[in-house]
Amino acid sequence: AQSVTQLGSHVSVSEGALVLLRCNYSSSVPPYLFWYVQYPNQGLQLLLKYTTGATLVKGINGFEAEFKKSETSFHLTKPSAHMSDAAEYFCAVAPRGAGSYQLTFGKGTKLSVIP
Amino acid sequence: GAGVSQTPSNKVTEKGKYVELRCDPISGHTALYWYRQSLGQGPEFLIYFQGTGAADDSGLPNDRFFAVRPEGSVSTLKIQRTERGDSAVYLCASSVSGEISQETQYFGPGTRLLVL
Repeated sequence: AQSVTQLGSHVSVSEGALVLLRCNYSSSVPPYLFWYVQYPNQGLQLLLKYTTGATLVKGINGFEAEFKKSETSFHLTKPSAHMSDAAEYFCAVAPRGAGSYQLTFGKGTKLSVIP
Repeated sequence: GAGVSQTPSNKVTEKGKYVELRCDPISGHTALYWYRQSLGQGPEFLIYFQGTGAADDSGLPNDRFFAVRPEGSVSTLKIQRTERGDSAVYLCASSVSGEISQETQYFGPGTRLLVL
């Protein structure tokens, strides 16, 4: 069974500071990896995903994440936080092969941006 | 274009009652998913439809939960004899064909269910 751990249920950063949201997965085979963002009263929106190839993945709104197999991690970063980045962020995995449609999510990290 | 829509946005019911939650996927998407998000948790998979059939209902918690998609478009999640523990946000998502490595699951805003 796969699982996802997001370290820190709440992260606060100053506007213009680096954003780092941590995600570790547990799986016998490296899964597909995703980051979603959820704004209040809106649906989950895909930020980026890793399926194969280059381990540094760039997404929307200036976010990027790096797949590190040796650390079973897929941390999300953004060099400079903006007020509009305040939201809840979810890391998710899906298995390769059978059942690849089924996303397993972490508990989420709520990002606050301080002016 | 229009995204995934869900109705109602909020539903309050009493313990023991029956509820139906509706999902309108993006037009042309054959794959449809239901997830449940409890307070302080990430979404949890409930069921996956490919066309009209439930390809995987392994996430449904018990036989009080049932979902249909009779014409391969709109889906309804049905909960019988609701319990307070069913209170959560129910999310619907759709995608073109179900191959997650090639496409994106688009999520609706959810239906917030409160069982009193």
